[in-house]
Amino acid sequence: NAGVTQTPKFQVLKTGQSMTLQCAQDMNHEYMSWYRQDPGMGLRLIHYSVGAGITDQGEVPNGYNVSRSTTEDFPLRLLSAAPSQTSVYFCASSSPGGANEQFFGPGTRLTVL
Amino acid sequence: SQKIEQNSEALNIQEGKTATLTCNYTNYSPAYLQWYRQDPGRGPVFLLLIRENEKEKRKERLKVTFDTTLKQSLFHITASQPADSATYLCALDPLGTSYGKLTFGQGTILTVHP
Repeated sequence: NAGVTQTPKFQVLKTGQSMTLQCAQDMNHEYMSWYRQDPGMGLRLIHYSVGAGITDQGEVPNGYNVSRSTTEDFPLRLLSAAPSQTSVYFCASSSPGGANEQFFGPGTRLTVL
Repeated sequence: SQKIEQNSEALNIQEGKTATLTCNYTNYSPAYLQWYRQDPGRGPVFLLLIRENEKEKRKERLKVTFDTTLKQSLFHITASQPADSATYLCALDPLGTSYGKLTFGQGTILTVHP
């Protein structure tokens, strides 16, 4: 199992550009989520999904879009990048029941100039 | 407003001692509280979960306590080793689900000196 994979690992964008951060998991998890991590602020939830075709907003959704067409993939789209979106982005997945643990990907470090 | 605070931004201890990290929360009634470890440049890794009706949970050298009256969780690493050096995050799950809707503290950087 590869677990949760994220691409790219690093990205530099100019203000106003758009891009998609990719996230995939091979554990057949129903639940997937996106967090951003900024110094001193911990991880903040952007969007989450409880299954294919179902998504909802988290704490900081503005400027981001998501969709979930398959169980495996949960891409995060930046519509028009802003310097405030400079951050490290983590994708996570989990399944109902059990220890409720979240499995995190390795992260994407995004810089917006 | 809802708030989670990990009391120390950084904690330095000597090898062999017990490290104690604190997580306090306000305006929550969390069903579950989780602890994660994060190494530099990597994603968080799940360590332990404790439910609201549990006072204490152990796993090898790790121990977590959960006091819903004090609104506090303590995370202990006994017989600490330099390899335990990392950032430790607490996270609240107010619904008691695994939807992924966790609220995280800002983390405590633990350094264990040989």
